[in-house]
Amino acid sequence: GENVEQHPSTLSVQEGDSAVIKCTYSDSASNYFPWYKQELGKGPQLIIDIRSNVGEKKDQRIAVTLNKTAKHFSLHITETQPEDSAVYFCAASEASGGGADGLTFGKGTHLIIQP
Amino acid sequence: DAGVIQSPRHEVTEMGQEVTLRCKPISGHNSLFWYRQTMMRGLELLIYFNNNVPIDDSGMPEDRFSAKMPNASFSTLKIQPSEPRDSAVYFCASSHRVGEAFFGQGTRLTVV
Repeated sequence: GENVEQHPSTLSVQEGDSAVIKCTYSDSASNYFPWYKQELGKGPQLIIDIRSNVGEKKDQRIAVTLNKTAKHFSLHITETQPEDSAVYFCAASEASGGGADGLTFGKGTHLIIQP
Repeated sequence: DAGVIQSPRHEVTEMGQEVTLRCKPISGHNSLFWYRQTMMRGLELLIYFNNNVPIDDSGMPEDRFSAKMPNASFSTLKIQPSEPRDSAVYFCASSHRVGEAFFGQGTRLTVV
């Protein structure tokens, strides 16, 4: 089955600086890579995703890159703000025409934005 | 849409008791997932359904766990009998075909 590794487990950055979280996956059949943000006491919330037919996707201060050859993908947050403090999870799945497959999650990164 | 709705939000029960967690997916979504989150193991997929049919239950820890989806708008996850090591936050999520998964707020289960 799929195995997703995520690092670092904790990341502390100064407000306004950039943050980068990296993940690797093992199953070459995986073709869908979402990133989730989880705040205390809440469920994970999708913030951005990328499919294997593109190498990069950007949404305002958030961007994700994918390297299929190396089987790794990264989340980039620029101009970090206090509200970006949360736990971030990467995930991978093989989304086939027969229906969505379950996501395999990384262990999470606790992002701390220092004022 | 109100999103994925889970109940109860919190459940405290004694070891050996039966526990039933409930989920109402987003209308129109045809895939439903049950996840368990713990500090030690992170987010683990327990089981998922496509069009109300269980597709993969290999993540269900043991026979004490069972899940059903009698119709497109309701699913249950049952633990019988419950044990202290089942204490965790259980999430339900739903999605379109090949689309992103939307999570509920979770049920925090404590077995004492």
